[in-house]
Amino acid sequence: KAGVTQTPRYLIKTRGQQVTLSCSPISGHRSVSWYQQTPGQGLQFLFEYFSETQRNKGNFPGRFSGRQFSNSRSEMNVSTLELGDSALYLCASSPRPIGEQYFGPGTRLTVT
Amino acid sequence: QQQVKQSPQSLIVQKGGISIINCAYENTAFDYFPWYQQFPGKGPALLIAIRPDVSEKKEGRFTISFNKSAKQFSLHIMDSQPGDSATYFCAANSRATGNQFYFGTGTSLTVIP
Repeated sequence: KAGVTQTPRYLIKTRGQQVTLSCSPISGHRSVSWYQQTPGQGLQFLFEYFSETQRNKGNFPGRFSGRQFSNSRSEMNVSTLELGDSALYLCASSPRPIGEQYFGPGTRLTVT
Repeated sequence: QQQVKQSPQSLIVQKGGISIINCAYENTAFDYFPWYQQFPGKGPALLIAIRPDVSEKKEGRFTISFNKSAKQFSLHIMDSQPGDSATYFCAANSRATGNQFYFGTGTSLTVIP
């Protein structure tokens, strides 16, 4: 099976802009989670979707949002970008509502 | 507040030695504890995981030791190899919160030939 794919892999945006990141889970996986990884904070949970419904949300401002489509693909959106949003954004999928997670390679977002 | 505390931040081990990374947690609702390995430019890869009904789990050179009363768990890498040089993350999860995982801050392991 193909692994989790994320597009784009690298992105440079300007402060104040918005960005949309995409994630395609492993075939058959219906749970998709998003994490922000930074050197100082490590991996921080953003939100999780299962069957198009957001099940959990981490402690991030409302500028961070996401959605999941009927084919389990997911997108996350960050509006009004800030310099502190520069990070590696990781998507993970899981074959079960509760279970092991498989990560994609991430999207490296740089905000200038 | 860091839900899972990981130490050490970095570790240097000779080839053939044992690498030990420790994690501690406070939330007694956690019931699944995975370890991930991450190489530069890659996403974390699931290495091994344990549930609190067992005290130890071994897969090849990797062993998780779990101490429920102390709320601690550790990763042991036996016969460490240069190819094991990577960043290791412990994590914890409660089935009550679906697939929301809490991660430690990571340990950068360097295995010297």
